[in-house]
Amino acid sequence: NAGVTQTPKFRVLKTGQSMTLLCAQDMNHEYMYWYRQDPGMGLRLIHYSVGEGTTAKGEVPDGYNVSRLKKQNFLLGLESAAPSQTSVYFCASSYGGDSNQPQHFGDGTRLSIL
Amino acid sequence: GDSVTQMEGPVTLSEEAFLTINCTYTATGYPSLFWYVQYPGEGLQLLLKATKADDKGSNKGFEATYRKETTSFHLEKGSVQVSDSAVYFCALIFMIKAAGNKLTFGGGTRVLVKP
Repeated sequence: NAGVTQTPKFRVLKTGQSMTLLCAQDMNHEYMYWYRQDPGMGLRLIHYSVGEGTTAKGEVPDGYNVSRLKKQNFLLGLESAAPSQTSVYFCASSYGGDSNQPQHFGDGTRLSIL
Repeated sequence: GDSVTQMEGPVTLSEEAFLTINCTYTATGYPSLFWYVQYPGEGLQLLLKATKADDKGSNKGFEATYRKETTSFHLEKGSVQVSDSAVYFCALIFMIKAAGNKLTFGGGTRVLVKP
């Protein structure tokens, strides 16, 4: 009963390095989301996807790219990491766009950029 | 734009005390409202929801009522336990099928329950 799985759980990068965060869900959900969580600001939507092969920008997309090549996976990429991207990143998925369908969250990835 | 405002924490309580966390929102139209809970080291879990005015969501002893006239969705629990120590997030969703259900979160309220 895995639900939403994020890898890695922790990572430290140097400014300018690149990396990819992986999100995998086993619930056959159509919609997937990437958020970042910063103190006092709740969660802010970075990018989202409404189905395999589709992606769209959220509230704070700059400096990030995403891909949804397979329905169960949603990748978040940082091409050139900056200290401002130090945050906790959460992936979520939902069955549909209906507001009655709750989003299921992973346990988060803590990312530090030095 | 849409926004959610929560009372700032931390809120420190003794076991069996009454808990209230205030949440108000601004939005055009009538969103669905949610409370999520985040335990230490974990992701967010849906605690309860309400999809229309005057609906009451409830779960694990927590309750919240969707008040359209005051644009509020305050979370309450009559008798808290140490295990309720967590960060609580109020959120709203508009049903936008083409864009998925985009959540707008409040800043979160940390609750610490002492034995």
